[in-house]
Amino acid sequence: KAGVTQTPRYLIKTRGQQVTLSCSPISGHRSVSWYQQTPGQGLQFLFEYFSETQRNKGNFPGRFSGRQFSNSRSEMNVSTLELGDSALYLCASSLDSTFSGNTIYFGEGSWLTVV
Amino acid sequence: GNSVTQMEGPVTLSEEAFLTINCTYTATGYPSLFWYVQYPGEGLQLLLKATKADDKGSNKGFEATYRKETTSFHLEKGSVQVSDSAVYFCALTLSGGGNKLTFGTGTQLKVEL
Repeated sequence: KAGVTQTPRYLIKTRGQQVTLSCSPISGHRSVSWYQQTPGQGLQFLFEYFSETQRNKGNFPGRFSGRQFSNSRSEMNVSTLELGDSALYLCASSLDSTFSGNTIYFGEGSWLTVV
Repeated sequence: GNSVTQMEGPVTLSEEAFLTINCTYTATGYPSLFWYVQYPGEGLQLLLKATKADDKGSNKGFEATYRKETTSFHLEKGSVQVSDSAVYFCALTLSGGGNKLTFGTGTQLKVEL
């Protein structure tokens, strides 16, 4: 079956602009989470959605937001982009959100460059 | 707070050498533990996991045992190949914490002929 699909794979934005990234989870998965990966900060959790509700939120400013649709697809948005937002943004999906040992599958990521 | 500590890289080995990448954790409650691998330019792939103490996760020749007494989850492989060159991440999730993964900083492995 298809894996986690993220679009776009690569994008370049200018400071001050906003960006929307999309994620389609594995079919049947209802939990979607987002991570930011940078060389300096490593992998940091942004937020998790389950059945269209935000369940967990990381320590990021309000410029970072997300949502989940009824078909479990998710989007994340970053407004007023800063140079430091340049990163690989990874989406992950899982069957549910109740068991901590769930297998969590990652997409290939969206590479965002802010200039 | 919850955290994962991995050994610093890069780790450089010759092909067929034995691999150990150390991972220790600090967590409130009972975590599940994971190893993920990231090849250049790609996302993360789950390598193995363990959900309770003394569980051993294994996959593709890699193994790790969940040691509650030492709060460790060290990754081992008996004979590495050039194709194992990648960055390896140790991570945990907590019971009741949903699917929020807390990652270590990653350890780069380079395997040479």
